[in-house]
This record gives sequence, C-alpha cells and structure tokens, in this order.
Amino acid sequence: AQTVTQSQPEMSVQEAETVTLSCTYDTSENNYYLFWYKQPPSRQMILVIRQEAYKQQNATENRFSVNFQKAAKSFSLKISDSQLGDTAMYFCAFMKRNNAGNMLTFGGGTRLMVKP
Amino acid sequence: DTAVSQTPKYLVTQMGNDKSIKCEQNLGHDTMYWYKQDSKKFLKIMFSYNNKELIINETVPNRFSPKSPDKAHLNLHINSLELGDSAVYFCASSQVGAYEKLFFGSGTQLSVL
Repeated sequence: AQTVTQSQPEMSVQEAETVTLSCTYDTSENNYYLFWYKQPPSRQMILVIRQEAYKQQNATENRFSVNFQKAAKSFSLKISDSQLGDTAMYFCAFMKRNNAGNMLTFGGGTRLMVKP
Repeated sequence: DTAVSQTPKYLVTQMGNDKSIKCEQNLGHDTMYWYKQDSKKFLKIMFSYNNKELIINETVPNRFSPKSPDKAHLNLHINSLELGDSAVYFCASSQVGAYEKLFFGSGTQLSVL
C-alpha cells in the first residue's frame, strides 16, 4: 500500500515571497503520478500541478513548481510570489497507474496562510 | 456547466436516519469515486466504480451502499447514520487510460446530530 506524508501541518508566508511545502511518499511502484491539490475555504478541490513519475523534468504551472526526487520519494511544491488567494489547505497525492481505476492516496495536508 | 455536481451541499440529520447523496458527471468519464474528508481534513477513498462496476471498496461499513445506475451517476446511500459519519463527502470522476486526473465535486457536508 502507498502512503503519503506531509510533515508540515501549518505554514505561513508573507505576500510576494516564496514558500515550499514538503511531501514524501512510500511505494514499490515504478509507474505512478503525483499531484498537489489546493482546497480553499470554499471546500472545492482544485488541481494545482501534476507530475508523471517517468518524467525527470519537474512540472511547472505559472507560479507553482515541484521538486521531484524519485529516488528519495520526495515531491515538494514551491509557490513563488505568494498571493493572498493562495491561502488554503494543500494536499499531496499519489496515484498508481491502474487500468481499473485512478485511486488517489492523499497526505494529511498542509494549511498555508499568506499574510499581507 | 458544472462538470461534477453533487447534491445536496449540506445535509443535517438525526442519528439513525437514512440519507442519500447524489452525484452526476457530464464529462463522459468511465470511472467515479466517493471520498470522505474527516474533521481533521484527512481524505480517504471509499468506493470506485468503473463502467457501473464496483472496483474499489476500502473497508467501508455495510451501512454505506453506493449505486451506479449508469456511467454518469454514482449515488451514496447511508443507512442508520451514526455521529462518526459526520464528514464532507466528495464525489469525483476520471477517464482511466487517458489524462489521469480526478475531477471533484464541491462536496457534501454531512452533520449527524
């Protein structure tokens, strides 16, 4: 079974600064996907960024980028130029490649507060 | 047009009651899921259906019974509600073998009194 660990329950950052959220996972799979989801107070689950394990290049989406270290099983999220709207819970998630269904295993989440 | 819609958004009920949460997706996906988010925000898979067939059942009590009348719908029926069932329930969908990504509904907050 896969496990996902987010070691930072809460973090804060000043507006316009950079923050990095940590995530580690444990799996015996070689083919999988990793995700960061954002959950603002509205409760909606919003996909922030997605990484395919077979790709060495780190994924980037505008101000969001990841540092994917496959050997270390680490998948951190960097948010640059933090904005007040980035305040939310952030969940790291693992998905095994499976023709029967794309089940996500989530970490416990990191609550991020962006301060003005 | 909401891609994954679930109703109701809020559900307040008494212990022992039976309730249902409905979910519909208009994305043409072949797989649908129910996730439970507890009071500590931890998200866990409950069920997964692929083409109306149950493929994942993660040790959920028998009081929870999913029903998928067709590929676009996955409803969750809960019998004999207990205090511990209070949580936010998310429906999601995906297309297996395509761009692997789950689309989530906006959640149903269930409060059992």
